[in-house]
Amino acid sequence: SQQGEEDPQALSIQEGENATMNCSYKTSINNLQWYRQNSGRGLVHLILIRSNEREKHSGRLRVTLDTSKKSSSLLITASRAADTASYFCATDAGGQAGTALIFGKGTTLSVSS
Amino acid sequence: DTEVTQTPKHLVMGMTNKKSLKCEQHMGHRAMYWYKQKAKKPPELMFVYSYEKLSINESVPSRFSPECPNSSLLNLHLHALQPEDSALYLCASSTTGASSGNTIYFGEGSWLTVV
Repeated sequence: SQQGEEDPQALSIQEGENATMNCSYKTSINNLQWYRQNSGRGLVHLILIRSNEREKHSGRLRVTLDTSKKSSSLLITASRAADTASYFCATDAGGQAGTALIFGKGTTLSVSS
Repeated sequence: DTEVTQTPKHLVMGMTNKKSLKCEQHMGHRAMYWYKQKAKKPPELMFVYSYEKLSINESVPSRFSPECPNSSLLNLHLHALQPEDSALYLCASSTTGASSGNTIYFGEGSWLTVV
């Protein structure tokens, strides 16, 4: 099963620019998390935002959540070549799978120097 | 560095073989997960164990058999797999379920190739 849809699917930017990725989901959630995955590696947790929060910051990351629109965005400011990776949003889907994360399709970010 | 350890990192097996993937965590987490990820696709949930009991099986074929011997270990037994089962298999763990707002920690994955 799949919960989220990321937009865009691929994003190419220059170092120093900001990168914005969007995520939409279908069911009600308790929280939404963003993960990063370098090619062929495991997933690294970036940030979690709860359903009663609207915005959260962590270093160069800013996440927003709009539960009325069932959408979230991840902003990476002042991007670096090392930010090149795939980024996934993940939600705790309700119902039977409520105890696990369901991932969106992901955005592939390429940052060139 | 991840605190979820998966072995082996790479596995090549024939369609008649029996093999196992292993996962270990020592963070005291009581929820453990298996995900499958194909190239350029998101991870797909396979199984969830909660307090060493299987709580979710996402309609996974019986040729995949999970086992949770204790709270630190999670195995995935593989038998009579098909070439289309070739993928990255990711193990993960969390304090309790994701709905409680717990971060889920992932291992580096086991690359499986079925020939």
